Amino acid sequence: DIQMTQSPSSLSASVGDRVTITCRASQSISNYLNWYQQKPGKAPKLLIYAASSLQSGVPSRFSGSGSGTDFTLTISSLQPEDFATYYCQQSYSTSSLTFGGGTKVEIK
Amino acid sequence: QVQLQESGPGLVKPSQTLSLTCTVSGDSISSGSYYWSWLRQHPEKGLEWIGYIHHTGSTHNNPSLKSRMTISVDRSKNQFSLELKSVTAADTAVYYCARDGGYPYGNNWFDPWGQGTLVTVSS
Repeated sequence: DIQMTQSPSSLSASVGDRVTITCRASQSISNYLNWYQQKPGKAPKLLIYAASSLQSGVPSRFSGSGSGTDFTLTISSLQPEDFATYYCQQSYSTSSLTFGGGTKVEIK
Repeated sequence: QVQLQESGPGLVKPSQTLSLTCTVSGDSISSGSYYWSWLRQHPEKGLEWIGYIHHTGSTHNNPSLKSRMTISVDRSKNQFSLELKSVTAADTAVYYCARDGGYPYGNNWFDPWGQGTLVTVSS
């Protein structure tokens, strides 16, 4: 399986901060990388697909970048509704689709 | 607006079979434009993909669960289902169904998701 490692596992930030979350793949996955947001008690929500494409309806303060093994999710100006856990997911290896361990974004 | 809804027992005894159904509204499984996936999330843990099915009946399963699982589709009811045999406490999780954008060229993203259903394995 391709292992996905997210960092940090948690972070504290204030409203208005720029937040960056990193996801690293154990091997090259081209741009087959998706990002999700999950709030407590809710299902995950797709934010970014194919590394950098914004899903319809997702605010433009969310952006994704990267290719190969290193990827980044950036929130340009953190809003109160953005406090959640974020997951990356690779779809390069369809033999087993795998997720990162998650990054919890908390209020400072 | 596409919506998915999981249904099934919330409690399953060890060694028995877990059976869940996902009902899709706002889209037709028979359109053939998507895969339809099952995923799960162990309590306070991360996400695990279980497997997907296409309306043709072709499936692809997580190798770690492959020997115990079956995914099927009922096009007449616009539903797809998961069966997981010989369950143990390690199968206790919130189970989600989701539309999977990986057909036909890959990049399997999941959107939207059902609300999820907690399945507890306990005697």
